[in-house]
Amino acid sequence: AQRVTQPEKLLSVFKGAPVELKCNYSYSGSPELFWYVQYSRQRLQLLLRHISRESIKGFTADLNKGETSFHLKKPFAQEEDSAMYYCALRPKTGANSKLTFGKGITLSVRP
Amino acid sequence: GAGVSQSPRYKVAKRGQDVALRCDPISGHVSLFWYQQALGQGPEFLTYFQNEAQLDKSGLPSDRFFAERPEGSVSTLKIQRTQQEDSAVYLCASSTHSGSTDTQYFGPGTRLTVL
Repeated sequence: AQRVTQPEKLLSVFKGAPVELKCNYSYSGSPELFWYVQYSRQRLQLLLRHISRESIKGFTADLNKGETSFHLKKPFAQEEDSAMYYCALRPKTGANSKLTFGKGITLSVRP
Repeated sequence: GAGVSQSPRYKVAKRGQDVALRCDPISGHVSLFWYQQALGQGPEFLTYFQNEAQLDKSGLPSDRFFAERPEGSVSTLKIQRTQQEDSAVYLCASSTHSGSTDTQYFGPGTRLTVL
């Protein structure tokens, strides 16, 4: 079985502060990990995926297989980062590419 | 080009009514997914199509839920005899191919409220 855990529901920071959104996963095979973001009144969209190893909007996430974590980080938060963030997992191989999501965390960046 | 579209955006149903939710995927996308998102939760997988073939329906919560994609493009999720616990946002997503490396693009969702 595959599971994604986001232990916090809400993170509130001031503009310019560092941000770390936690994500832990459980999966017996080789996973692919994602962060999806949903801004107010917008649809769910992909923020980044671990295989790309790129920084999007200043966010980065490193897959730590030893700790089974995929935390999302940004050194200096901006007000426009305020949104709902979901961590998600799917098997890296095979035809079944369904996503398993965590419960999500609301990030609030105050001016 | 247009993204994934869903209709209606909002649906209110009385308990016991049948509802049909429509998803128009991105043109040419082979894979189509349905997810259910209850209030305060992340999306949960319902079912998956590759073209017109329904390859995985393991997430459908009961036999009241039925999905189809007869021509390999538009898909309909039907819920019979709706119950209050069916109240949720129903999300549709599509991706280019069937491989697990493809990005899933989500629609805006249909918010179903069962009274």
